[in-house]
Amino acid sequence: DAGVIQSPRHEVTEMGQEVTLRCKPISGHNSLFWYRQTMMRGLELLIYFNNNVPIDDSGMPEDRFSAKMPNASFSTLKIQPSEPRDSAVYFCASSPTGGRGLFFGSGTQLSVL
Amino acid sequence: DAKTTQPPSMDCAEGRAANLPCNHSTISGNEYVYWYRQIHSQGPQYIIHGLKNNETNEMASLIITEDRKSSTLILPHATLRDTAVYYCIVRVVGVGNQFYFGTGTSLTVIP
Repeated sequence: DAGVIQSPRHEVTEMGQEVTLRCKPISGHNSLFWYRQTMMRGLELLIYFNNNVPIDDSGMPEDRFSAKMPNASFSTLKIQPSEPRDSAVYFCASSPTGGRGLFFGSGTQLSVL
Repeated sequence: DAKTTQPPSMDCAEGRAANLPCNHSTISGNEYVYWYRQIHSQGPQYIIHGLKNNETNEMASLIITEDRKSSTLILPHATLRDTAVYYCIVRVVGVGNQFYFGTGTSLTVIP
């Protein structure tokens, strides 16, 4: 299995632009998580899906952030409009049913200028 | 929110055992202890998890105290590639129960 696949690996954009991050979970995993990591705040859980349904989005910082999971093999995290303080590494992770834990992608390094 | 306390940093000599402690004094009966590590710029990697019995796999051993208020991750023969940030997490297994990462322990393996 190729693992969790995220794209792009790096994204540089200007303030005010729309940014879309993409994630393909491991086949058969029914839970998907989006995390954000910064030096100041560490790893923060943004949103969590189970069977394509958002379960908990309390970590989404504000309305500029939105996430979708239209099917079991694809999810997006969108920021519109982007701001410099959104600069971070964004990780997607998936998990199978039960206690096996999370499997992370390689992350997207986002820089908003 | 993270329910664990870990030392911010530790050093270990290459080839020696690395013992990483974690306090989780408020753990409840149905919460598991998970360990992950994050090597610089990569996504966190699952290491091991357990409920109350000690666990061992190809990567590490997990020792949980009898009262379950603390645990220790043991890397039996640390190598330079084990230099990473190690996170201890407690979580109830099941839908809707998320993984909250604290600040972790930055382990440096010294040649």
